[in-house]
Amino acid sequence: EAEVAQSPRYKITEKSQAVAFWCDPISGHATLYWYRQILGQGPELLVQFQDESVVDDSQLPKDRFSAERLKGVDSTLKIQPAELGDSAMYLCASSLGTDGYTFGSGTRLTVV
Amino acid sequence: GENVEQHPSTLSVQEGDSAVIKCTYSDSASNYFPWYKQELGKRPQLIIDIRSNVGEKKDQRIAVTLNKTAKHFSLHITETQPEDSAVYFCAASPYTDKLIFGTGTRLQVFP
Repeated sequence: EAEVAQSPRYKITEKSQAVAFWCDPISGHATLYWYRQILGQGPELLVQFQDESVVDDSQLPKDRFSAERLKGVDSTLKIQPAELGDSAMYLCASSLGTDGYTFGSGTRLTVV
Repeated sequence: GENVEQHPSTLSVQEGDSAVIKCTYSDSASNYFPWYKQELGKRPQLIIDIRSNVGEKKDQRIAVTLNKTAKHFSLHITETQPEDSAVYFCAASPYTDKLIFGTGTRLQVFP
């Protein structure tokens, strides 16, 4: 079964440092999403790509977060500088429209 | 924008009993409603979904119902088993295929 690959699985960083997460979607999935899930809450969309273009980044804190999908395949989400409140699970997902919507295993970020 | 409310936040049932989780949504343009099961520390896993042209869908012990007029949808799990214990999330897709999630229901099934 095809999977969405994410790395790293776990990341501990000090506040004010930079951190980056990587996602490789299922082959052929044009739409890629980054969600943030704070412990005890539902996932919240940060950014959505259609191929290499950003479709929705209305909930992305653009002063410190950036995301790119340069060739329309894999994607990187960056936080600089990290803050204590950024501690969460960062989930990547990909889909063909709403079909085949699949989440990766996530990156659990702890900011100390 | 779309807002999804989910109830209850916790649900405890005896093994073999049924469990029902309810969600309401605000945007009448939403047309896709999936349900996810998430075990501790793991990714959300799709367990069933329904589109707005259908009122009910069933897959073995799991069923979902949708009332478009009232803008609510529900997850029904029959003959619950201990392995059904997890956090369940509903979601709605208003447009551009993004998902707006509910706040989650922690289901505990006691043997």
